[in-house]
Amino acid sequence: GAGVSQSPSNKVTEKGKDVELRCDPISGHTALYWYRQSLGQGLEFLIYFQGNSAPDKSGLPSDRFSAERTGGSVSTLTIQRTQQEDSAVYLCASSLGLGTGGRHSPLHFGNGTRLTVT
Amino acid sequence: AQTVTQSQPEMSVQEAETVTLSCTYDTSENNYYLFWYKQPPSRQMILVIRQEAYKQQNATENRFSVNFQKAAKSFSLKISDSQLGDTAMYFCAFMKNTGNQFYFGTGTSLTVIP
Repeated sequence: GAGVSQSPSNKVTEKGKDVELRCDPISGHTALYWYRQSLGQGLEFLIYFQGNSAPDKSGLPSDRFSAERTGGSVSTLTIQRTQQEDSAVYLCASSLGLGTGGRHSPLHFGNGTRLTVT
Repeated sequence: AQTVTQSQPEMSVQEAETVTLSCTYDTSENNYYLFWYKQPPSRQMILVIRQEAYKQQNATENRFSVNFQKAAKSFSLKISDSQLGDTAMYFCAFMKNTGNQFYFGTGTSLTVIP
């Protein structure tokens, strides 16, 4: 079946503008994550959605960042008033979450959106 | 807090040779999961191998195997018979059994030399 799909693949925006990044997870995956990957850095956790539970927003770096997940499927990450330090690759991942026997299923990643703020 | 450390930013290996990528982690948890992910130039992260902490046997997936040393909190990845397609960034990741966050290391850039 189809994997995790992210759009756009690349986005160039001017400082101060708002951007929206989209993620279509694998059908049936209840867990959805957003990560940020900066050059030479590991993956920085941003936000996590699990089913209908309240999202874990503990990784969002500032109040300029927000995310929604509509209908338990598609997610949108919004960055308001973009800054140059927001430039990075934004990765979305989904998983089946906590499965039977308490076993976590692994993450399936999209190809990411490369955001460049000029 | 959980931390994952990959102390080798870059490595290279001759095609058909064997290479080992190191990973250490810090946790007070007893039950957890460890993963190795591969990120080729296409940017898509791909799961390479997974280890559950309660299992003493090291996980193996074809040419990929791990050396899991729970007491030392070490989780190295061995790639045998390296192929050009193995050229990628490799990330080590940790997840608590009861949690939902994956903690990633900073990655090791592996280049397979023909």
